[in-house]
Amino acid sequence: GAVVSQHPSRVICKSGTSVKIECRSLDFQATTMFWYRQFPKKSLMLMATSNEGSKATYEQGVEKDKFLINHASLTLSTLTVTSAHPEDSSFYICSARPPGQGRKTQYFGPGTRLLVL
Amino acid sequence: QQQVKQSPQSLIVQKGGISIINCAYENTAFDYFPWYQQFPGKGPALLIAIRPDVSEKKEGRFTISFNKSAKQFSLHIMDSQPGDSATYFCAAPDSSYKLIFGSGTRLLVRP
Repeated sequence: GAVVSQHPSRVICKSGTSVKIECRSLDFQATTMFWYRQFPKKSLMLMATSNEGSKATYEQGVEKDKFLINHASLTLSTLTVTSAHPEDSSFYICSARPPGQGRKTQYFGPGTRLLVL
Repeated sequence: QQQVKQSPQSLIVQKGGISIINCAYENTAFDYFPWYQQFPGKGPALLIAIRPDVSEKKEGRFTISFNKSAKQFSLHIMDSQPGDSATYFCAAPDSSYKLIFGSGTRLLVRP
């Protein structure tokens, strides 16, 4: 159990275009999903916390107008990188937390490799 | 106070040996300590986790040792195998469920 999927697994786009990444919890409902960015050989950097039915909470330094997050259902959150530029190229990973006050485990998706040309 | 410090940065172990990765934290409010395993190009996978009411948890070849007074916890991989070669992250969630990650340890198990 506790499977999280991401789509696409990798995407190449031209500078200036927008890219949408989907994150789905396949066998549980997730009231909270998280979006991370990971640079090569580095730890995960939290970008934002996504709560179903409400606005995402962004970490300091993350542009909310550039990284649009929508959490429209209990099993789906999307990250849209708007007007992508080469510096946005990175590995984007989502995670989902099962509901419940004591549930602190996060389950991660397989990641999406974004390359902006 | 929110940091989780992880060491070593990299580790090379011979097949069959014991791999040991250490983490230290400051925030005494942390009450859940997961370890994640990440292979290149993949997302992190939950490996094993412990709560501070126990000092040790074992799952197969993987063991977490927890020292509450020292605010330290460690991952032991017994009988290390080449397939264990990956990056390992310790973590702890804060009060808003955000995971505070360690910096990661790149483990290489030589055949």
